[in-house]
Amino acid sequence: QKEVEQNSGPLSVPEGAIASLNCTYSDRGSQSFFWYRQYSGKSPELIMFIYSNGDKEDGRFTAQLNKASQYVSLLIRDSQPSDSATYLCAVKLANKLSFGAGTTVTVRA
Amino acid sequence: GAVVSQHPSRVICKSGTSVKIECRSLDFQATTMFWYRQFPKQSLMLMATSNEGSKATYEQGVEKDKFLINHASLTLSTLTVTSAHPEDSSFYICSGEDGNTEAFFGQGTRLTVV
Repeated sequence: QKEVEQNSGPLSVPEGAIASLNCTYSDRGSQSFFWYRQYSGKSPELIMFIYSNGDKEDGRFTAQLNKASQYVSLLIRDSQPSDSATYLCAVKLANKLSFGAGTTVTVRA
Repeated sequence: GAVVSQHPSRVICKSGTSVKIECRSLDFQATTMFWYRQFPKQSLMLMATSNEGSKATYEQGVEKDKFLINHASLTLSTLTVTSAHPEDSSFYICSGEDGNTEAFFGQGTRLTVV
């Protein structure tokens, strides 16, 4: 079982819609959870991190964490063409980040 | 956020030669630096973790004699790919942590071995 699993996509949404990304992780001891955006050929950029159960909002992005279900999600509201990228879920355990394979999002203008 | 500068951004080398990649934390002291490798359409795979002044800890399956990591100061870590072969062609990314939650990534290095 992979440590961090994401749907690879591609996920295609129209401009202005909500994009919903999901991630599950295998180790219950995981401490903190991150969402990164990666454009083709570039290194990841941090969108946000979360370590408490519940929701965390930052602008158009909302992260949701449910430790009991070992599930973390990211919602992108009012999706823009510039949001088209691969979104990586990462989980920290023992000071190491484990990354999911990423979900490719395409926002259609 | 803090800045990690990585260079070169792209390098092409001949098979059998060595390549050094540098990673510098510009405005913070990186107590820990991480080196990742990313093949096309795949995620980042951790290669090794280094702490300033001590030997790097390599992940299972990563050859420490092939991928030499030096973390001589709190602002500089280097990765040297020795005797590079075409299968080492990949995107190499470093990140630095200042002891808090967030990791700051370098811009990445696209290595092509011909």
